[in-house]
Amino acid sequence: GQQLNQSPQSMFIQEGEDVSMNCTSSSIFNTWLWYKQDPGEGPVLLIALYKAGELTSNGRLTAQFGITRKDSFLNISASIPSDVGIYFCAGQLAGNNRKLIWGLGTSLAVNP
Amino acid sequence: NAGVMQNPRHLVRRRGQEARLRCSPMKGHSHVYWYRQLPEEGLKFMVYLQKENIIDESGMPKERFSAEFPKEGPSILRIQQVVRGDSAAYFCASSPETGSYGYTFGSGTRLTVV
Repeated sequence: GQQLNQSPQSMFIQEGEDVSMNCTSSSIFNTWLWYKQDPGEGPVLLIALYKAGELTSNGRLTAQFGITRKDSFLNISASIPSDVGIYFCAGQLAGNNRKLIWGLGTSLAVNP
Repeated sequence: NAGVMQNPRHLVRRRGQEARLRCSPMKGHSHVYWYRQLPEEGLKFMVYLQKENIIDESGMPKERFSAEFPKEGPSILRIQQVVRGDSAAYFCASSPETGSYGYTFGSGTRLTVV
């Protein structure tokens, strides 16, 4: 099935560092979503983006909907140990039903 | 993950038995999605349902797997004659009829086939 290109696959950083991850697609998307999954739990929605160029923040998280509508990035500033987890991007294709296309995830480890 | 209820949380089945996974969507949500996740892997779409309708089942294996979302009651993902390769975490998500496309996920059912 279709998938988004999400990178990096994994990151190991020191507490306090900033983190950046991104997703790209060859198709145009109407919606970009960023989720975080903790071990043993389901993904939780962090940020939703609905317009090209949109920049949205949620606490220390900032995400942007690329102007071409084919990419998005997520930044985490001043990382803390509880940021550990897997971050997924997801997008909805233009004109599609509500089914989302998913990236394979970025695994984040934070060294205290 | 409050709102989308999945049960059981853990399910152990012997090879050849049937597994039934239940999902109650958030109140007011009429769209349900099932995903499978293997250890250290991403989410694989299985099926998308609305009440009494299957909208997209392109991710469902052709045999042994079925899903329903009846007018009353939870959505059910049914796996017949389970095999070891069916061992995975199965997540259900729901979304409303209109507005935000963001899904709300349940905590998942971890199926182990022995």
